[in-house]
Order: sequence, then C-alpha cells, then structure tokens
Amino acid sequence: ETGVTQSPTHLIKTRGQQVTLRCSSQSGHNTVSWYQQALGQGPQFIFQYYREEENGRGNFPPRFSGLQFPNYSSELNVNALELDDSALYLCASLDRANYGYTFGSGTRLTVV
Amino acid sequence: QKEVEQDPGPLSVPEGAIVSLNCTYSNSAFQYFMWYRQYSRKGPELLMYTYSSGNKEDGRFTAQVDKSSKYISLFIRDSQPSDSATYLCATSENYGQNFVFGPGTRLSVLP
Repeated sequence: ETGVTQSPTHLIKTRGQQVTLRCSSQSGHNTVSWYQQALGQGPQFIFQYYREEENGRGNFPPRFSGLQFPNYSSELNVNALELDDSALYLCASLDRANYGYTFGSGTRLTVV
Repeated sequence: QKEVEQDPGPLSVPEGAIVSLNCTYSNSAFQYFMWYRQYSRKGPELLMYTYSSGNKEDGRFTAQVDKSSKYISLFIRDSQPSDSATYLCATSENYGQNFVFGPGTRLSVLP
C-alpha cells in the first residue's frame, strides 16, 4: 500500500475551466514532485517542492502551479484547461531511505 | 533526440522466460538510474535503483548500467504472469532531483 494518496481518482472538466488536484504524502517526506503521464507515455516532470518552496520546474506553462503545505499535503492547480491536458497526474514523495520516489495512484483528468 | 529512449513493445514472453528490458540515454550527467513497474491504472512502483555504473541484484531482478555506452538494462529471471506490466526506466543527475522517464515497455508474460 503506497504512502502517497491522491484525490480525486477521476475527474472530467470542460476546456477553459480550472482544476485542483490534491496529494497527501507520508510524514517526514519534505520533497514532493508532480508528473503528467499521457496515455502510452512515460511521466513528464511538472515541478517539485521542497519544504513549501518550488525548487525545480519542467517544461510546463505558468498555468500549471502548485502549493505544498506544512502537513505534507500538496496541490496541483491547472488554469485554462486545454484538451491536451487530459492525462494521468502523478504525485510522488521522496523516500530518502530507499532513494527513489514513492508515487501515488494518480488522478485521471479528462478535458472535454 | 529524446533524453531517454525505450522500446515501447509490447513484449510477450512465456512464463519462466528470462526477460531483458533496455533503455538508452543521451545526457552523460545522469548518475542515478531507476526501474519502475506500472500496472494498469496504478502509479509507478520503484523496483530497483543504481548509482553510476555497475550491476545490482534483487531476487529475480538484475539492473545493469553501462555509463560508457549510456545503456541501462533490467533482467527478470523466471518471469511470472504477475510481472505483466509496463516497465519504465528513469534517470536523474542528482539525488532528490526530478527524474527523466523513458516511454515504458509493455510486458506480457503468458501462462
């Protein structure tokens, strides 16, 4: 059972709308990353937060934004949704004991 | 050229076969190499990680990294139907930094 939980599991939005996806990490995991995985592709890095500050960003426009909270939860916000934003959005927290990130099961976003 | 390339498959093998999965990468600064397994409708699950070149074994799984040729391999011995999944290789330059993933290889192990 993964220590990273994401909500909701599925979501359908209309083009132009805004969406907020949520993630809860294990206690003590100060680093959280968000990835976008299109169907049949590997995950693409969106951004990373460490102790509530963004400390890395992939090739995504500013309408993708995030927040990390002191209670090890985080959010991904996407404004002005486009059809190409339809994907699985994955949250991952860094497990320093084993290296590697522990991923949640993701939120499947469909933009129509 | 993509930073990490991987044959998408699908790859079908009979139960008990040895499976070889491979990736190539272009950035010589990559130092950390990971293999993730992803079942349908689930998030990726870390299988193995390796720092720099060399081999690492864990049960039926062996990961190999050859930095001189920028080549990453995962071997699965005595493959089982439960190994049927998509296998993703991933790399990063520094500890705790974001990963660059390959597109994944779909593996089917047939009973």
